[in-house]
Amino acid sequence: QVQLLVESGGGVVQPGRSLRLSCAASAFTFENFDMHWVRQTPGRGLEWVAVISYDETDKYYGDSVKGRFTISRDNSKKMLYLEMNSLRVEDTAVYFCARYYTFWSAFDVWGQGTLVSVAS
Amino acid sequence: ILLTQSPGTLSLSPGERATLSCRASQSIASSYLAWYQQKPGQAPRLLIYGASSRATGIPARFSGSGSGTDFTLTISRLEPEDFAVYYCQQYGHSAFTFGPGTKVDI
Repeated sequence: QVQLLVESGGGVVQPGRSLRLSCAASAFTFENFDMHWVRQTPGRGLEWVAVISYDETDKYYGDSVKGRFTISRDNSKKMLYLEMNSLRVEDTAVYFCARYYTFWSAFDVWGQGTLVSVAS
Repeated sequence: ILLTQSPGTLSLSPGERATLSCRASQSIASSYLAWYQQKPGQAPRLLIYGASSRATGIPARFSGSGSGTDFTLTISRLEPEDFAVYYCQQYGHSAFTFGPGTKVDI
C-alpha cells in the first residue's frame, strides 16, 4: 500500500496573523517516524522548517521560523501540525510535510504541499 | 552547512549522460547526504540516500558518489522522464539544508 501524506490548511493571510497547517498520514505506522515540514519558494528553493521526533520529545526549527512556528503531532490521529504565528511576507511558500526515514537519513515520503500566501 | 550545486542548468538530450555536482561548505558524513528529483507541480522524490544508495524503485541509471565536501549524482542515460530539477540535501547539527538545485532540461 502506498504511504500517503496529505496537507491542508493553506491559504491567504495578512502579515502578522496566524495559520495552522495539518498533515494527515495513512498507510504507515505514523508513531514510528520523525516528521518534518519543508517549504519551497521560487526564490529560496527548498527550505527545511521544523522537525518533531516520533515521540514528541524533540523539536527543532530552522532559524527563519524559530520563535514563531510550532510543530506538533497527534499520534492517535496520525496527524502532524504546524502552527504559524506572526507571519511575514517571506513566509509565503508551498509547505510540504515529509516523513524522515532514520535508517536512510532522508525524507522518503512527501505530501503534495499546501500553499501559504502572506499578503496585505 | 551550505550546499552549492553546479551547474545551475544542464541542457542535454535523451540518451546522454548527466553529471550533477553538490559541494558542501564543510565536510559532511556521507550517510547524511541525499538526492531528490522534482518535477513541476510535484513534491520532491527521494532518489539517493547515504550518498550512494538508491531508494526503493529508483532505476539503476541513477547513481551517487562522493565524500567529504564533494558529491555527484550521475544519470547514465537520460530518459525523457528524467528531465527535472535535482536537489542535494544534508543533515548536520540538528538542521537540514538543501542545495539550490540543478535543472536538467532538453
